[in-house]
Amino acid sequence: EIVLTQSPATLSLSPGEGATLSCRASQNLNRYLAWYQHKPGQSPRLLIYDASKRATGIPARFSGSGSGTDFTLTISSLEPEDFAVYYCQQRSNWPPMYSFGQGTKLEIK
Amino acid sequence: QVQLVESGGGVVQPGRSLRLSCAASGFTFSSHGMHWVRQAPGKGPEWVAVIWYDGSNTFYADSVKGRFTISRDNFKNTLYMQMNNLRAEDTAVYYCARGISSGHYLDYFDSWGQGTLVTVSS
Repeated sequence: EIVLTQSPATLSLSPGEGATLSCRASQNLNRYLAWYQHKPGQSPRLLIYDASKRATGIPARFSGSGSGTDFTLTISSLEPEDFAVYYCQQRSNWPPMYSFGQGTKLEIK
Repeated sequence: QVQLVESGGGVVQPGRSLRLSCAASGFTFSSHGMHWVRQAPGKGPEWVAVIWYDGSNTFYADSVKGRFTISRDNFKNTLYMQMNNLRAEDTAVYYCARGISSGHYLDYFDSWGQGTLVTVSS
């Protein structure tokens, strides 16, 4: 089973600042990793897939990088609507099994 | 646009059964693999099950294997989850999600429903 470990658990920042979120995998994922944003009372939203590709409609301030076991989600300049919980996610090769990290809560400082 | 609407959640006693439905619209349902993902209170998302676009393959998380069954009706554009022998630890919001492919078939979840709450309690 592939385990995803996210850090930090909580990140306190102000609007306008940049954010860097980390996700570490217990096995090599190549570039097959996604990031999701989840706000209270809403369903999760796909932000980034294949480590660095933005999903449809995602603003350019969101970017992803990394490969292998270490991945990063960067938000260049935080908007008020960006404060949420962020999860990374992967799929194992075969049989298909999916796992999420435990999440990073991005909160307003 | 893609719409996924779950229904069927509620309060159920341990050991009982429940069937969830997910009505899909805005895309060609029969061309897409589909998932169920759940989120327990205060926890992160947990993948539950996946079904291929034509129903030919299904896979389950170990936590639900043998108790839950995912199925679909491509004529009704509807995804289902039959949940038997429910336990307290199955309490969660259950989301249906559309799968998209990249390096493998159905790597990620690109559209999610609003979720339906299942509470297992005596």
